[in-house]
Amino acid sequence: EIVLTQSPDTLSLSPGERATLSCRASQSLSSSYLAWYQQKPGQAPRLLIYRASSRATGIPDRFTGSGSGTDFTLTISRLEPEDFAVFYCQQYGGSPYTFGQGTKLEIK
Amino acid sequence: EVQLVESGGGLVQPGRSLRLSCAASGFTFDDYAMHWVRQAPGKGLEWVSGISWNSNHVGYADSVKGRFTISRDNAKNSLYLQVNSLRGEDTAFYYCAKDSQWELHGDNWFDTWGQGTQVTVSS
Repeated sequence: EIVLTQSPDTLSLSPGERATLSCRASQSLSSSYLAWYQQKPGQAPRLLIYRASSRATGIPDRFTGSGSGTDFTLTISRLEPEDFAVFYCQQYGGSPYTFGQGTKLEIK
Repeated sequence: EVQLVESGGGLVQPGRSLRLSCAASGFTFDDYAMHWVRQAPGKGLEWVSGISWNSNHVGYADSVKGRFTISRDNAKNSLYLQVNSLRGEDTAFYYCAKDSQWELHGDNWFDTWGQGTQVTVSS
């Protein structure tokens, strides 16, 4: 089973600042099969990024995914008030599909 | 509009069973694989099970293998999860998620999620 470790656990920033979230895999991910999801309190997760760097439909271009192999990053260029939430990375190269433990992005 | 609506959750005693359902609309259901993902209170996401478009391929997390069974009825645009021998650690919100592909062959990101159904296991 591939283990994903996200860092930091919590990130405190202000609107307008840049956020950098990290996801590290325990083994190299084939074909960059990594996704990022955003989850707000009381809501279902929402797909942001797939294949490490492709934005999902309707996702603003301030969200950027990058990385390959074992190290991946989600960058939010200029934080908007609605961006504060918990973010999860997921590898989907094969069963079992595993998630990171999540990074909580909170308002400073 | 793509929509997934889960139902069937509730309060159940340890060792008992439940059948979760997910009604799909707004897309061609039998063109896509489907999954169940759960989230324990205050915890992260855990993939539970997935099924290919024609039910020929299924997969389970080790934590539920032998106790949970995933199935689908393409004629009814519905996904199911039969959960047996429930334990306290199965208490969670259970989400239905639509796959981006039709088979469980890799490159399977989850592009749409339902709002979930709560399962609470307690005596």
